[in-house]
Amino acid sequence: GQQLNQSPQSMFIQEGEDVSMNCTSSSIFNTWLWYKQEPGEGPVLLIALYKAGELTSNGRLTAQFGITRKDSFLNISASIPSDVGIYFCAGQHNSGAGSYQLTFGKGTKLSVIP
Amino acid sequence: NAGVMQNPRHLVRRRGQEARLRCSPMKGHSHVYWYRQLPEEGLKFMVYLQKENIIDESGMPKERFSAEFPKEGPSILRIQQVVRGDSAAYFCASSPARDNYGYTFGSGTRLTVV
Repeated sequence: GQQLNQSPQSMFIQEGEDVSMNCTSSSIFNTWLWYKQEPGEGPVLLIALYKAGELTSNGRLTAQFGITRKDSFLNISASIPSDVGIYFCAGQHNSGAGSYQLTFGKGTKLSVIP
Repeated sequence: NAGVMQNPRHLVRRRGQEARLRCSPMKGHSHVYWYRQLPEEGLKFMVYLQKENIIDESGMPKERFSAEFPKEGPSILRIQQVVRGDSAAYFCASSPARDNYGYTFGSGTRLTVV
């Protein structure tokens, strides 16, 4: 099956620093998504990328959809304590069975030191 | 507008019992996805349903697991004769259309099998 390799697995950074994480895949996806999950909650969508090469920002977050459609990165600028959580990349594709299911990476756990 | 509602939030079952997990999609959404998350892992697709129809169950284990989304009422994920390996967080997501990207997740049901 399709797999996403997400790195790094975890990060400890000082408040105010910038953060970068990425995902790579051996398969092509139609859409790349970035989610944030906090303890005890479901994933919350941060950014969706629909076109190869697309660069999209959402406040302090910036993400890009790789030109080959096999990778994506997420940057967080000027981190703050509330950025703490697990960030997941996800690729969306038509399964062929009629659904647009998501394939998730294993997540990047972000810790921000005040 | 309430989000995706899942209940119960936590469920404890003894080995061999049945687990029933409920998901009420957002108002106006008729498409439901179920995902499972093991500890330290990303979410994995299980099944995609529209009202009264299972569209894609390619991620469902062949035995003991079933899902439904009746005309009236919530979507139900049923696990019969639970085993320890079924312990996980189960998330439901809903969308208004089949190809709506970045659908909304609920807060999940955390199943513990003892």
